[in-house]
Amino acid sequence: EVQLVESGGGLAQPGRSLRLSCTASGFIFGDYGMSWVRQAPGKGLEWVGFIRSKAYGGRTEYAASVKGRFTISRDDSKSIAYLQMNSLKTEDTAVYYCTRVGGGYSYGPRVGYLDSWGQGNLVTVSS
Amino acid sequence: QSALTQPASVSGSPGQSITISCTGTSSDVGGYNYVSWYQQEAGKAPKLMIYDVSNRPSGVSNRFSGSKSGNTASLTISGLQADDEADYYCSSYTISSTCVFGTGTKVTVL
Repeated sequence: EVQLVESGGGLAQPGRSLRLSCTASGFIFGDYGMSWVRQAPGKGLEWVGFIRSKAYGGRTEYAASVKGRFTISRDDSKSIAYLQMNSLKTEDTAVYYCTRVGGGYSYGPRVGYLDSWGQGNLVTVSS
Repeated sequence: QSALTQPASVSGSPGQSITISCTGTSSDVGGYNYVSWYQQEAGKAPKLMIYDVSNRPSGVSNRFSGSKSGNTASLTISGLQADDEADYYCSSYTISSTCVFGTGTKVTVL
């Protein structure tokens, strides 16, 4: 069974940093791209970014709203994906979901669909 | 990248069929067959219902079906049931190699 467990959320002041971790199990982590999605309180889903598998260079893509502030990385030896969030703004307050990009290596280097989701981790940015 | 456009709400009676639209542009929905749909029940994480426009993951009821015409994708729920009540989001791959979600649709079973 695929499991994704996020950790590291909490309260941060504007301008500060926070790092989320996503620990995966139940599948060959290195074969899949991983993506982060967030949902502000009472709002819809917003795609944050994703990291390709090493087979596709581990390259990353980001939403315009977080580009230059957020960085996604991965440690395949530990089956963990990370979301480093710098220069946090109040509008970054949201539940952050770790997701697996569906299809694996055979699907290609694109983020076509998200087939497994973590339970979500709340990040609150407030002074 | 602007969010894809969905109706805010759709409702139907048990047993009826409803359709949710998802309108984008030629740079996302219209340009690729990488449209997916997610169901989010209250207080829960989203769940994949349809991928690549019309494919159902294992375990998803065949009452859920997807299609696409031009820049608009659609999710149809047939034989509507009480436990279909949830928020539904579409998503598409984009020309910028990113992903964009729809604005979300609240489905109410009357």
